[in-house]
Amino acid sequence: GAGVSQSPSNKVTEKGKDVELRCDPISGHTALYWYRQSLGQGLEFLIYFQGNSAPDKSGLPSDRFSAERTGGSVSTLTIQRTQQEDSAVYLCASSLGRDRGFSYEQYFGPGTRLTVT
Amino acid sequence: GQQVMQIPQYQHVQEGEDFTTYCNSSTTLSNIQWYKQRPGGHPVFLIQLVKSGEVKKQKRLTFQFGEAKKNSSLHITATQTTDVGTYFCAGRRAAGNKLTFGGGTRVLVKP
Repeated sequence: GAGVSQSPSNKVTEKGKDVELRCDPISGHTALYWYRQSLGQGLEFLIYFQGNSAPDKSGLPSDRFSAERTGGSVSTLTIQRTQQEDSAVYLCASSLGRDRGFSYEQYFGPGTRLTVT
Repeated sequence: GQQVMQIPQYQHVQEGEDFTTYCNSSTTLSNIQWYKQRPGGHPVFLIQLVKSGEVKKQKRLTFQFGEAKKNSSLHITATQTTDVGTYFCAGRRAAGNKLTFGGGTRVLVKP
């Protein structure tokens, strides 16, 4: 079946412009995560959606970053007034969520490579 | 908040040798997962550990969950060049929903 897809795969933008990154999770997955990964670095958590619950936005680095998930499916990460330090790969992952002591595995998309010039 | 630390950050291994990477949480975990990210790729799920003291094996990879459910380890025997990549652990607190990733161990294999 189809995995997690992200678009665009690459985005080059000028400093100060707004960008929107899209994530299409696996159908039926209730949990959706956004991460940021700089070259050679680890996964920086940004935001987490779980079903109809309020999203966990604790990882968003500034108020220039926002995300929404419409209809419990597609998610969009928006970065306003982009800065050069926003350049990174933005990864989306989805899963079936959790069940008591068990967490379902996360399936990652291929990522969007954002370059701010 | 919850912190998950991995050591070492980098691991240079001679092909054929064994090594171990460690994952430590500041809080007791409900479960822990391990992922592998090949260079240029995205993280891919390897395994999940749920029970205290649990040990699971995948071919040359052995995963262990600590008795206190606050740490985990990944041991690779007879390292091969195909083992190159970054290994991440990710844990969930007993009272939490979110998985928190460690910083990863970057493994380089010398032929």
